Amino acid sequence: KNQVEQSPQSLIILEGKNCTLQCNYTVSPFSNLRWYKQDTGRGPVSLTIMTFSENTKSNGRYTATLDADTKQSSLHITASQLSDSASYICVVRLLDSGTYKYIFGTGTRLKVLA
Amino acid sequence: DADVTQTPRNRITKTGKRIMLECSQTKGHDRMYWYRQDPGLGLRLIYYSFDVKDINKGEISDGYSVSRQAQAKFSLSLESAIPNQTALYFCATSFKNYNEQFFGPGTRLTVL
Repeated sequence: KNQVEQSPQSLIILEGKNCTLQCNYTVSPFSNLRWYKQDTGRGPVSLTIMTFSENTKSNGRYTATLDADTKQSSLHITASQLSDSASYICVVRLLDSGTYKYIFGTGTRLKVLA
Repeated sequence: DADVTQTPRNRITKTGKRIMLECSQTKGHDRMYWYRQDPGLGLRLIYYSFDVKDINKGEISDGYSVSRQAQAKFSLSLESAIPNQTALYFCATSFKNYNEQFFGPGTRLTVL
C-alpha cells in the first residue's frame, strides 16, 4: 500500500534552535518528493522538491534530504524563527497507470517559542 | 490578488442541504483538484480535472460531484451534506507536467 508517514506528529522548539522532521514512504513507483509548509488556516505552500537522483536541496534555512534506497526524507530547519510555526507536509508523487498521483503525509506540527 | 481563490471561506450548514464550494484561478493552469483535510489525516483527493472535458474521481469521491465550468473555475458540490463531510476543503491547480500544486486558502465546512 502506498503510504507516507511523518514524525514526529508535533514538535515544540525555542526560537533560534534547529530541528529535523522525518518522512518515510512506501510509495512505488516513486516520481518525486515535495515538502510543503502549511500555516494555520492557509493552503500548503511548496518548500522543496526532490527527484530520485537528488540527495539534498536547500531553500534558505530549509534543507531537505532524500535517501531513495531507504525511502526516507528529512527536512532540517536551521535557526528557527517564530514564523516557522506551521505544519510541514511531505508529499510523494507516483506514476500509476499513466497518471501521476500524490500521497500526502499527515504532517508535523511545529511550534517555535520565543 | 490571490492566484487561487475559494468561496466561501467558511460555511455552516445542516444535514441534507446542498452545498457548492467554488474555486477560481488566475494562474492559467489546466489542471485543478479538490482535496479535503481532516485532523490527523493527510489531504485526500476528492476529484481532479486535467481540462474542461476531463474530470476524474479521486480516492474519496462518494457524496461529492464537481463541475469544470471553464479552465479557471472548478466547483465542488455536496448534494446532500452529512456531518462526516465536516472538514477543511482545498482547491489546487497545476500546469501540465510541471508538478507543483498551488493551493487555495481553503474552505472550512461544518455540517450540523
